Amino acid sequence: DGGITQSPKYLFRKEGQNVTLSCEQNLNHDAMYWYRQDPGQGLRLIYYSQIVNDFQKGDIAEGYSVSREKKESFPLTVTSAQKNPTAFYLCASSMGGGSYNEQFFGPGTRLTVL
Amino acid sequence: SQQGEEDPQALSIQEGENATMNCSYKTSINNLQWYRQNSGRGLVHLILIRSNEREKHSGRLRVTLDTSKKSSSLLITASRAADTASYFCATDARQGAQKLVFGQGTRLTINP
Repeated sequence: DGGITQSPKYLFRKEGQNVTLSCEQNLNHDAMYWYRQDPGQGLRLIYYSQIVNDFQKGDIAEGYSVSREKKESFPLTVTSAQKNPTAFYLCASSMGGGSYNEQFFGPGTRLTVL
Repeated sequence: SQQGEEDPQALSIQEGENATMNCSYKTSINNLQWYRQNSGRGLVHLILIRSNEREKHSGRLRVTLDTSKKSSSLLITASRAADTASYFCATDARQGAQKLVFGQGTRLTINP
């Protein structure tokens, strides 16, 4: 059963804590992406990776970090430097980078800072 | 960096009617994609239209692209309650089209 999974579904964080969101895909896709969505808004790109061991900053990378050590995995760490982290986080993957490939999305992680 | 802007922001129609959503963008593109998002869920890809295409169909969906006006429209015919969702257009920039930029979305409500 191929797909893209994210965990946890809900995450609560105290101020000053770092948290890591998991994203795994078994679609054999090369490219992976992290987006942030605020209520009633569109998606904003945080980081993306087109190949293992390489990634690029998106439009709102400050306060976030990623790694891409395996093709299947692209975890996102929300650091204490991110001042307003409460949001819905979506991970996506595509066969290759570029706008000619459709992106497949995970179910999302809703992060709340207490 | 906002590329696509959807219009209207919200649309409410009766079941069985057609729904039309529009997307405008600022710079030349290679491709434009439409996605659907049910509340609290991930996005689902609907259709991709290339810059050299003017119209594309998929089931009850019809997408048009007018590159001279930098705009696209998504038409859903014979709407159903299950079509209730937010719809987003996503575009690239002709130079370095390595990522998509999503618009703010149109929230569509189908009333039974």
